[in-house]
Amino acid sequence: NAGVTQTPKFQVLKTGQSMTLQCAQDMNHEYMSWYRQDPGMGLRLIHYSVGAGITDQGEVPNGYNVSRSTTEDFPLRLLSAAPSQTSVYFCASSPRETGYGYTFGSGTRLTVV
Amino acid sequence: SQQGEEDPQALSIQEGENATMNCSYKTSINNLQWYRQNSGRGLVHLILIRSNEREKHSGRLRVTLDTSKKSSSLLITASRAADTASYFCATDANNDMRFGAGTRLTVKP
Repeated sequence: NAGVTQTPKFQVLKTGQSMTLQCAQDMNHEYMSWYRQDPGMGLRLIHYSVGAGITDQGEVPNGYNVSRSTTEDFPLRLLSAAPSQTSVYFCASSPRETGYGYTFGSGTRLTVV
Repeated sequence: SQQGEEDPQALSIQEGENATMNCSYKTSINNLQWYRQNSGRGLVHLILIRSNEREKHSGRLRVTLDTSKKSSSLLITASRAADTASYFCATDANNDMRFGAGTRLTVKP
């Protein structure tokens, strides 16, 4: 089992560029989510999905879009990158939306210049 | 905003000693979870304790939960250098999982 796979591992963007962070899981988990991790602030929830075709906003959704067309994939799209989006991004999945531990990917380190 | 807050922010101990980290939170929860993060890696789930449980063990880990005080503690016994990592508590409330800023544990050989 690969678990949760995130690509790319590192990315440098120029301000205003757009890109998609990929996340795939092979555990047939219904719940998937995206977090960003900034120094001293823990993890903050960006968007989440409780199943294919269903997405919702988390704590810090502005500047990001998501879609969930399949159970396996949950890409995160940055619409117009800003320096404030420089962060480490983690995708996580869980069998259900509550009551289970999360499996995390290894992260994408994004720098916006 | 963070729900859980870990204390201390950083902890340095010798190999073989016990390490205790605390987590306080503000609202009612369904369960509380602890995660470990090694430098530059993703978070790894350690243990989940439900709101109706008071104590749980997993190997060298012991977690307690006091819902009246809205607090939890993670005890790592007989620590090893490999336990060096950041530890996060996460509170699951109304399908909203919130993570604290973490405790940075350093175990010196």
